[in-house]
Amino acid sequence: AQSVTQLGSHVSVSEGALVLLRCNYSSSVPPYLFWYVQYPNQGLQLLLKYTSAATLVKGINGFEAEFKKSETSFHLTKPSAHMSDAAEYFCAVSEYGGFKTIFGAGTRLFVKA
Amino acid sequence: GAGVSQSPRYKVAKRGQDVALRCDPISGHVSLFWYQQALGQGPEFLTYFQNEAQLDKSGLPSDRFFAERPEGSVSTLKIQRTQQEDSAVYLCASSLAYDEQFFGPGTRLTVL
Repeated sequence: AQSVTQLGSHVSVSEGALVLLRCNYSSSVPPYLFWYVQYPNQGLQLLLKYTSAATLVKGINGFEAEFKKSETSFHLTKPSAHMSDAAEYFCAVSEYGGFKTIFGAGTRLFVKA
Repeated sequence: GAGVSQSPRYKVAKRGQDVALRCDPISGHVSLFWYQQALGQGPEFLTYFQNEAQLDKSGLPSDRFFAERPEGSVSTLKIQRTQQEDSAVYLCASSLAYDEQFFGPGTRLTVL
């Protein structure tokens, strides 16, 4: 069975500081991994995805994530936080070739001026 | 182009009422998903369609929940005899293949 664990329900950073949102997954088969962002009263928007190509994945808005199989991790980073990055972030996993996607509980990012 | 749309955006129901939530996927997307998102939680899978075929409904919480997609495009999620625990945001997503899903804005259901 697949599962996703996001460490930290809330993360607070200062504007310009490094953003690090942690995600660990479990999957018995090669996974697809995703990071989505959700702004208030909106649906989820895909930030980036890993589908077994390069382990370092670059996404929109300056975010990137690295797939580490040995650590079963897919942490999301951004070198310099911006006020507009304040939102809820969800890590998700699905099986290679599958359709059912399992989401983590989410991490709310706060950015302080 | 148009994204995934959902209607209504907000729905208030009295306990025991039936509700119907609509999803219009992106044109040409064969896959359609429904999720339930409780307050402060991530989306939880409810059901999946490939065209008109419902291939997985394992996430539907009870037999009061029913989804259909009769012509392989628009989908409706119906909840009968609503209960307070059904209060949540219901998200619809569509996709072309097995990877990226495109989400609608959701329908916020409040059961009083």
